[in-house]
Amino acid sequence: EVQLVESGGGLVQPGRSLRLSCATSGFTFGDYAMHWVRQAPGKGLEWVSSINWNSANIDYADSVKGRFSISRDNAKSSLHLQMNSLRTEDTALYYCAKDFSGWPSESFYYFDFWGQGTLVTVSS
Amino acid sequence: EIVMTQSPATLSVSPGERATLSCRASQTISTNLAWYQQKPGQAPRLLIYGISIRATDIPARFSGSGSGTEFTLTIDSLQSEDFALYSCQQYNKGPPWTFGQGTKVEFK
Repeated sequence: EVQLVESGGGLVQPGRSLRLSCATSGFTFGDYAMHWVRQAPGKGLEWVSSINWNSANIDYADSVKGRFSISRDNAKSSLHLQMNSLRTEDTALYYCAKDFSGWPSESFYYFDFWGQGTLVTVSS
Repeated sequence: EIVMTQSPATLSVSPGERATLSCRASQTISTNLAWYQQKPGQAPRLLIYGISIRATDIPARFSGSGSGTEFTLTIDSLQSEDFALYSCQQYNKGPPWTFGQGTKVEFK
């Protein structure tokens, strides 16, 4: 059974940092691109960042570029999101999601398994 | 950036009825459209990809259709467990990979 479990969320002041993690199991983590998607209160889903299977291809939404950094540890089947210079508009439920397509295919950028999310609240 | 627009924002339906949800893309996205279901406190669930292909274990009452820029998710004979938020997503061109704002299917 595929499982994705996010952690690391919490209440943080504007300008501070937070590191999210996603522990995975039930699939060959190193074969798949992984993604972070967020949902602000009362808003739709927003793609945040993607990383391919070997970390050679990384993308960010313009809203987080230069502030957030995605990484992965294939040996530990884990995904991370380092969030710096947090803003109030970063307040959201952050989901870790698995790409539909695995190696040797390229990423498809739609998501067949998601975690339940970890809540990040940026407020003074 | 491709903008995805869903309508209506809220759809009130009685159990057993059909629900029809719409999704419009700001430009042609070929067949690269997915639908997701969200329930409070649960992980989002992939329902449909490639406009009309049901994901694993998705019941046949869920169907997707459309082409170009106009797409539809149809839920036949709505069950109690189908009351949820539904979002469409395009994966034709990005980043960014964009979602609609969602349609909430609620009990009438």
